[in-house]
Amino acid sequence: AQSVTQLGSHVSVSEGALVLLRCNYSSSVPPYLFWYVQYPNQGLQLLLKYTSAATLVKGINGFEAEFKKSETSFHLTKPSAHMSDAAEYFCAVSKTGANNLFFGTGTRLTVIP
Amino acid sequence: DAGVTQSPTHLIKTRGQHVTLRCSPISGHKSVSWYQQVLGQGPQFIFQYYEKEERGRGNFPDRFSARQFPNYSSELNVNALLLGDSALYLCASSLSAPRDNEQFFGPGTRLTVL
Repeated sequence: AQSVTQLGSHVSVSEGALVLLRCNYSSSVPPYLFWYVQYPNQGLQLLLKYTSAATLVKGINGFEAEFKKSETSFHLTKPSAHMSDAAEYFCAVSKTGANNLFFGTGTRLTVIP
Repeated sequence: DAGVTQSPTHLIKTRGQHVTLRCSPISGHKSVSWYQQVLGQGPQFIFQYYEKEERGRGNFPDRFSARQFPNYSSELNVNALLLGDSALYLCASSLSAPRDNEQFFGPGTRLTVL
């Protein structure tokens, strides 16, 4: 069985502060892991993905995530928050690749000016 | 280039009715997947189609069905609508079925069942 748990349904940070969104996964096989962002009234956009290559994955818009097998975590970070980062963020896991994704419940990021 | 398009944008139905949602993938993409996103939750996988054949199915009742056409567009059908079917229905396309292909999501169809 596969699942992801996103800790914190809402996260608020000040503009310029570090962004840390937490994701822990459960998978019976080595997983593929993804972070997606959803802006209001839009579909999901892929930020980054882990596919068993480098454990530190760099994505778009300055985001990165580190796969830690010992902690079963795949937390998303960005050194300096921007107002445009305000959105809903979803962590997802798959054992078969980019399809058949299992999503977490999401974390809404608010950036305070 | 046009992204994934979905129609209609919004839809209101009553319990017991039937609904058809449509999706056009990015040009050249042959795989389409459908997801249901209930308010406050993450998307849940419903179906994947590749080359007009069903390649994956999530844990949804038989009231949900889909098909893919020769031009790779897709329809999601839901029969005997229940209040709990109210959700944002997302379509995603990818080049093919292999594991590393990125899925590109459409803006979704918001279905309200009264």
